[in-house]
Amino acid sequence: AQSVSQHNHHVILSEAASLELGCNYSYGGTVNLFWYVQYPGQHLQLLLKYFSGDPLVKGIKGFEAEFIKSKFSFNLRKPSVQWSDTAEYFCAVNAGAAGNKLTFGGGTRVLVKP
Amino acid sequence: GAVVSQHPSRVICKSGTSVKIECRSLDFQATTMFWYRQFPKKSLMLMATSNEGSKATYEQGVEKDKFLINHASLTLSTLTVTSAHPEDSSFYICSAGRTGGDSNQPQHFGDGTRLSIL
Repeated sequence: AQSVSQHNHHVILSEAASLELGCNYSYGGTVNLFWYVQYPGQHLQLLLKYFSGDPLVKGIKGFEAEFIKSKFSFNLRKPSVQWSDTAEYFCAVNAGAAGNKLTFGGGTRVLVKP
Repeated sequence: GAVVSQHPSRVICKSGTSVKIECRSLDFQATTMFWYRQFPKKSLMLMATSNEGSKATYEQGVEKDKFLINHASLTLSTLTVTSAHPEDSSFYICSAGRTGGDSNQPQHFGDGTRLSIL
């Protein structure tokens, strides 16, 4: 069965700092990779996704993620965070044979101090 | 953009009550919807896959007689928590993807339902 692990449970940083959230998955076949964000009191929203092609994916709000197949990783980055980036971030994987169902990582709570 | 509506957003009820949660895709059709459960400070765990016109597919460890799923139309799936008990208190979230599109289509999530059983 596939699994997803996010290394950091909580991250606290100041505005303008750079952010990198780790995500590793275990599945040997073709995967689709996602990062979702959940702002306080809101539903999950898609930040970015990787299906194929360029392993460096750019998403909304200045986020990007890099798929490194050899490391089974899909880390999320943002060069300069803002207070409004305070949220919980979830990495998710969909294995090709599993249809559209997603396996989520444990989530990372990010607090950006003004 | 695609919108998934979930209702109600919050339910508080007594132990032994059955609670129905609705998940609607508002501007697209979805033959498949997914029901997740999110425990406090934990990630989302898939409970079941709701299939339009057929039986739901439950994940291991999820009681199908406890969590009844009905997907009667291409825009509506319901989750009924039968004879709910305090341990069923949780945040339930549904998701749906467009029918007929690429199987890689990302899921759109509802706002979730916070269920509290007293």
